[in-house]
Amino acid sequence: EAGVTQFPSHSVIEKGQTVTLRCDPISGHDNLYWYRRVMGKEIKFLLHFVKESKQDESGMPNNRFLAERTGGTYSTLKVQPAELEDSGVYFCASSQIGRGGFEQFFGPGTRLTVL
Amino acid sequence: KQEVTQIPAALSVPEGENLVLNCSFTDSAIYNLQWFRQDPGKGLTSLLLIQSSQREQTSGRLNASLDKSSGRSTLYIAASQPGDSATYLCAVRVTGNQFYFGTGTSLTVIP
Repeated sequence: EAGVTQFPSHSVIEKGQTVTLRCDPISGHDNLYWYRRVMGKEIKFLLHFVKESKQDESGMPNNRFLAERTGGTYSTLKVQPAELEDSGVYFCASSQIGRGGFEQFFGPGTRLTVL
Repeated sequence: KQEVTQIPAALSVPEGENLVLNCSFTDSAIYNLQWFRQDPGKGLTSLLLIQSSQREQTSGRLNASLDKSSGRSTLYIAASQPGDSATYLCAVRVTGNQFYFGTGTSLTVIP
């Protein structure tokens, strides 16, 4: 069974540019989460989808971040325009509703560097 | 607000030694706690998941305990091996599926 995949693995952009990160969850997982780890800090929750609906987006830093999950399959996280403080590793995770106590499976992350 | 602390931040042990990693959280109203392993440049690998009603979970040489009332969890690694070297993270799930992470313990097992 394929795990959670994320694309790209690395992205280097200049301040003011736009970047779109993609996450493909494990097939059949309705829950999809985005997290971020900035240098030296703990991993922090950004938002949670159940299928195509945003269940909790309380962790989104500001309106420069836009997450979508059309069709309830893969998800994208767009940062527009990017700022220096957006640099970090963005993780995606998925879990299956009602199974295994919502055990979350993580992708390898996308390392974003904003110059 | 939930805060998760992991002590120590870094640990170095000789191969074969048993060791304990600690995780504490401030709000005992959790649904579950999950231990992860992260290798350099890689994602998080789930090790053990403990439901709030459970006291411990075991997988191979790993044993995780949970004392919800005191806000503590420990990850016990028996007979450590160089391949166990990684960063170990604990995360607690609270209402609404949100996870709160600790900053991790960086473990080095010396051959």
